[in-house]
Amino acid sequence: QQQVKQSPQSLIVQKGGISIINCAYENTAFDYFPWYQQFPGKGPALLIAIRPDVSEKKEGRFTISFNKSAKQFSLHIMDSQPGDSATYFCAALASGNTPLVFGKGTRLSVIA
Amino acid sequence: NAGVTQTPKFRILKIGQSMTLQCTQDMNHNYMYWYRQDPGMGLKLIYYSVGAGITDKGEVPNGYNVSRSTTEDFPLRLELAAPSQTSVYFCASSYPATGPDTQYFGPGTRLTVL
Repeated sequence: QQQVKQSPQSLIVQKGGISIINCAYENTAFDYFPWYQQFPGKGPALLIAIRPDVSEKKEGRFTISFNKSAKQFSLHIMDSQPGDSATYFCAALASGNTPLVFGKGTRLSVIA
Repeated sequence: NAGVTQTPKFRILKIGQSMTLQCTQDMNHNYMYWYRQDPGMGLKLIYYSVGAGITDKGEVPNGYNVSRSTTEDFPLRLELAAPSQTSVYFCASSYPATGPDTQYFGPGTRLTVL
């Protein structure tokens, strides 16, 4: 059973445009929602994260929007650049010793 | 700090051979993880450990074994390699006690089984 559903699987965006990746979850015990960024040939790295007590978190050009009632959260990349081309994973975590649950990833290509 | 290091970077195995993928972290993290990532796919958790001497199965443990005798090391053992184990393997570590569980990933081991 996939606990975190991520879409789209791939995304092509023009340079300067907005990239939007969506995730949905079912487990109401999740209380931490990070996004990881993975460049080709590298391991994933934490990009930005949010807790459900806020509806939005912004770090530079990257923003997480969180809708607790809909159990959805999304990553917005403003002014997308070719250097943002990577695979993005959303994830969710419940308190306790349970491991992080990852979405299946979105391959983003930003073209000039 | 070197962070999370993995060896080897690449390996080709024949069907039925065995090998150990090494993972070491120097951040004194108590949690460690092994993932596999198939081409164009997401991360699947194989095994994880919340501390020395403690291991637990993840989503896809069959065909693999782990041990955690020290805080720093978390080797992954493949017995009787099969083509289905061709993948990129990532080790990660974290220290949830200091706050949200940020996982730090190694550079990966690309394994091909022929």
